[in-house]
Amino acid sequence: DAKTTQPPSMDCAEGRAANLPCNHSTISGNEYVYWYRQIHSQGPQYIIHGLKNNETNEMASLIITEDRKSSTLILPHATLRDTAVYYCIVRPLHGSGNTGKLIFGQGTTLQVKP
Amino acid sequence: GAGVSQSPSNKVTEKGKDVELRCDPISGHTALYWYRQSLGQGLEFLIYFQGNSAPDKSGLPSDRFSAERTGGSVSTLTIQRTQQEDSAVYLCASSPRQGQGNTIYFGEGSWLTVV
Repeated sequence: DAKTTQPPSMDCAEGRAANLPCNHSTISGNEYVYWYRQIHSQGPQYIIHGLKNNETNEMASLIITEDRKSSTLILPHATLRDTAVYYCIVRPLHGSGNTGKLIFGQGTTLQVKP
Repeated sequence: GAGVSQSPSNKVTEKGKDVELRCDPISGHTALYWYRQSLGQGLEFLIYFQGNSAPDKSGLPSDRFSAERTGGSVSTLTIQRTQQEDSAVYLCASSPRQGQGNTIYFGEGSWLTVV
């Protein structure tokens, strides 16, 4: 079972920041938080991941709370092409008795509106 | 290639026939995963390969499903005696050898329709 909880859907105005929350209250110390998105049943696209520090790349920022029980994915200037299902996934470090596979939940459907 | 490559991109088959789906992972990636996604559903883990280790087959839904990986690179997912409920997009993914936060990259999938 997925170890994360996300709202099923969110709307965002084009050009505004999209803030997508994720709860992972049972996360373990060796588990990373990954974010993927999927557009129209294409292959999931990697966005960003982090362990405990905030991370930023060209696509997004990831803010992880100090207790690591929740995180927020931030798309700083959402465009219509960012409309997709966003998945927050907790993934264990491979090698600690597991395959490091991604277990997908239902995700958040983000609708960016003009 | 630059990304994970899957073939065929689309396959229509008759119920009861066998199908093979192919995955070429990113060059140098030692871990390979298969997932499937039925229409309107989430992604379901099927099987995982890592180097010469025994594969993790815990997600295969029935003994009609099997997969192999030859030479540590290309993988083939085989579905025998296909059923209509097997209709889905089958996604392959790969990642570098396990390490700190290695990322899994997905292909565009093989769409399977069983009629």
